[in-house]
Amino acid sequence: GEDVEQSLFLSVREGDSSVINCTYTDSSSTYLYWYKQEPGAGLQLLTYIFSNMDMKQDQRLTVLLNKKDKHLSLRIADTQTGDSAIYFCAESILPGGYQKVTFGIGTKLQVIP
Amino acid sequence: DTAVSQTPKYLVTQMGNDKSIKCEQNLGHDTMYWYKQDSKKFLKIMFSYNNKELIINETVPNRFSPKSPDKAHLNLHINSLELGDSAVYFCASSQWGEEGYTFGSGTRLTVV
Repeated sequence: GEDVEQSLFLSVREGDSSVINCTYTDSSSTYLYWYKQEPGAGLQLLTYIFSNMDMKQDQRLTVLLNKKDKHLSLRIADTQTGDSAIYFCAESILPGGYQKVTFGIGTKLQVIP
Repeated sequence: DTAVSQTPKYLVTQMGNDKSIKCEQNLGHDTMYWYKQDSKKFLKIMFSYNNKELIINETVPNRFSPKSPDKAHLNLHINSLELGDSAVYFCASSQWGEEGYTFGSGTRLTVV
């Protein structure tokens, strides 16, 4: 079955790099996502990676995918206080051609000034 | 503004009542979803509609009934509300060929 696991909490100092890790179980996952949720708000898509890619970089964000180990990570360079939020890892199985996205439990990132 | 909008943002109601949450998207997306986020922030899919047709129906009590009058709207009606229904309900939409969801800002339902 589908399962996405993340650590619950990460604390970093402003200016340091943050690395949030995720593992998933379904080898048929086609797309892997990182979403950000700020307090009282909905989830916002940060970035995604196709399963045939190893790495994707987008400004301060770097996504690494190890398909063999089913491990996904999100690195945030030069972490800012505005990056404090909950980060959700997610996978898409695409049943019947439609997106069914399974989310992890979310990692709360606390940035200390 | 282009967005996924949900109403109401907050809903406090007594056990046993029936309530509805509405969702509208003006993004032209063809698929809409309802997710439930519990107090531990766990997100679980409930339903998905594609062009008014139900395509995902997870194990959800029969008291929950989605309705999609057109592809821009997906409403959620809940009968006989229970304490355990308290959660934040998120509507989302997506479009085939475009990655990821666009989420609404959520409806915080509190059953007392």
